[in-house]
Amino acid sequence: IAGITQAPTSQILAAGRRMTLRCTQDMRHNAMYWYRQDLGLGLRLIHYSNTAGTTGKGEVPDGYSVSRANTDDFPLTLASAVPSQTSVYFCASSSGINSYNEQFFGPGTRLTVL
Amino acid sequence: DQQVKQNSPSLSVQEGRISILNCDYTNSMFDYFLWYKKYPAEGPTFLISISSIKDKNEDGRFTVFLNKSAKHLSLHIVPSQPGDSAVYFCAASALIPGAQKLVFGQGTRLTINP
Repeated sequence: IAGITQAPTSQILAAGRRMTLRCTQDMRHNAMYWYRQDLGLGLRLIHYSNTAGTTGKGEVPDGYSVSRANTDDFPLTLASAVPSQTSVYFCASSSGINSYNEQFFGPGTRLTVL
Repeated sequence: DQQVKQNSPSLSVQEGRISILNCDYTNSMFDYFLWYKKYPAEGPTFLISISSIKDKNEDGRFTVFLNKSAKHLSLHIVPSQPGDSAVYFCAASALIPGAQKLVFGQGTRLTINP
């Protein structure tokens, strides 16, 4: 049982380059999320999707875009990376969108933008 | 504006003793609270949760207490074991249109000393 996989594990990227972080889940969860984790700030929500074909903006969406073509995949794209996007990125999923639903997290992608 | 705060960046506890991790929140709209545990180079994993209509939830060695009037919750681990050494995130859950929103605290690094 894989759960949630993310790729790449880590990446060093030149500023201005385009980058897509991949996220795939095999739990058939409807809801998926992207967070970034920064020291002293915890995890902050970037974008979310409550079902295939729909997406929404989270707390820090600027500079990022997402798509949800099917249930399993939820890629996060940085169109033109900037150094402030250096962070650890976590993808998560949940079976529902109620307050009590547990979110399951992937192992993360460590991104460095130079 | 940090809606969920964990004011202790780190905590060191002797093996076998009780570990108490604290969390404060500001928004009365949160209706569920969750604790996540994170090991290095892994994603956060769900530990325990509590509904805002309860004041205590227990699961084995882990107990979460909620004081709504003080907008404060705490996680008690007893007895503490070396495998409990990790970063612990408190998260508050609320519904936003079409999705669940988790707001995370900054995290507390717990070290259990043998």
